[in-house]
Amino acid sequence: AQKITQTQPGMFVQEKEAVTLDCTYDTSDQSYGLFWYKQPSSGEMIFLIYQGSYDEQNATEGRYSLNFQKARKSANLVISASQLGDSAMYFCAMREGLYTGNQFYFGTGTSLTVIP
Amino acid sequence: DADVTQTPRNRITKTGKRIMLECSQTKGHDRMYWYRQDPGLGLRLIYYSFDVKDINKGEISDGYSVSRQAQAKFSLSLESAIPNQTALYFCATSDLKDDEQFFGPGTRLTVL
Repeated sequence: AQKITQTQPGMFVQEKEAVTLDCTYDTSDQSYGLFWYKQPSSGEMIFLIYQGSYDEQNATEGRYSLNFQKARKSANLVISASQLGDSAMYFCAMREGLYTGNQFYFGTGTSLTVIP
Repeated sequence: DADVTQTPRNRITKTGKRIMLECSQTKGHDRMYWYRQDPGLGLRLIYYSFDVKDINKGEISDGYSVSRQAQAKFSLSLESAIPNQTALYFCATSDLKDDEQFFGPGTRLTVL
């Protein structure tokens, strides 16, 4: 079974609109971390946001927020007020085992295109 | 200067050749990782290391080996490269306290 599932290979959003990128995960651990990374066409991996499994509030970082629904095992990324520079690949990732540094698992990514 | 560097940035080689990809970091992190990225498959973990004496296999370690020469250096070797090892390879580091992984710029490897 896939550890991280991103079901949207490609998404389009109008500039200044909000967009939600879906991510579901599979783990039996109680302690884990969830991450989102952005990969622009230049290829580098840019960290966006982190949510710990014990965090009760959804993580937010500027225009990024993580909609964490633990019972559903989902960790969707919400980008508000989309900008042209948001066009990129977005990867959801999970680290199992708090403080044990277990393996990281990445999803297959979602390609986001922001339309002017 | 970049915190995580990878050399070379691009490499073209032939089937059967031995290749070493190098990663250096100035972040002082204990943990280092090697991933490969293939179109449509995301990033997959090859090996990871928690400190100089600790090496662990990741999801797809077959055909690869690693060496942690120092806290700051983590090398990935392909003993006998094959075409399906053509991919973008990333090195990453992390700290126990800070869960975020910091990625290098990537090495694009082509095996002919």
